[in-house]
Amino acid sequence: AQSVTQLDSHVSVSEGTPVLLRCNYSSSYSPSLFWYVQHPNKGLQLLLKYTSAATLVKGINGFEAEFKKSETSFHLTKPSAHMSDAAEYFCVVSGGTSYGKLTFGQGTILTVHP
Amino acid sequence: DGGITQSPKYLFRKEGQNVTLSCEQNLNHDAMYWYRQDPGQGLRLIYYSQIVNDFQKGDIAEGYSVSREKKESFPLTVTSAQKNPTAFYLCASNTQGGKLFFGSGTQLSVL
Repeated sequence: AQSVTQLDSHVSVSEGTPVLLRCNYSSSYSPSLFWYVQHPNKGLQLLLKYTSAATLVKGINGFEAEFKKSETSFHLTKPSAHMSDAAEYFCVVSGGTSYGKLTFGQGTILTVHP
Repeated sequence: DGGITQSPKYLFRKEGQNVTLSCEQNLNHDAMYWYRQDPGQGLRLIYYSQIVNDFQKGDIAEGYSVSREKKESFPLTVTSAQKNPTAFYLCASNTQGGKLFFGSGTQLSVL
């Protein structure tokens, strides 16, 4: 079975400060991992994905995530938050015995204060 | 333009009634998915299909049924057995290992 846990349901930062959104996963085999973002009243957009290449993955809008197998983590970071980053973020895992099954985390709402 | 079309945008269900949500894609994707989105619970997988005439249950399949008779189409039926159907339903598709393309969703409510 596979699962994903986003450790924070809400994260609040000030504009210009670093962002850290935490994600832990469980998968029987080498997983593929994704981060998606959903802005209010908008569809889901892919930020970045990991598929067993480099462990540090760079995505759009300055976001990056590091795959740490020993910690089963795939945390999303950004050095400096912008007001437009305010949205809900989802960590997604795929792989294991349920081939092709994509499991979403519960989401983390990021609030950015001026 | 290629994409995923979900219809209707809004749907109302009477008690004891089955309703069907449509999902069509012209992206030539093999895989299609149905998710349910509830506030605070993220997206939960209902059913998914990797190939025509084959589909698998997701994490919350009870009270739902699907079919995959054509590559382009993956309709979802919400049966009367689903006791809490009010939610936002999202259909998605992808190539194997690729990014998900989402439809614009269907909001289902109970009368």
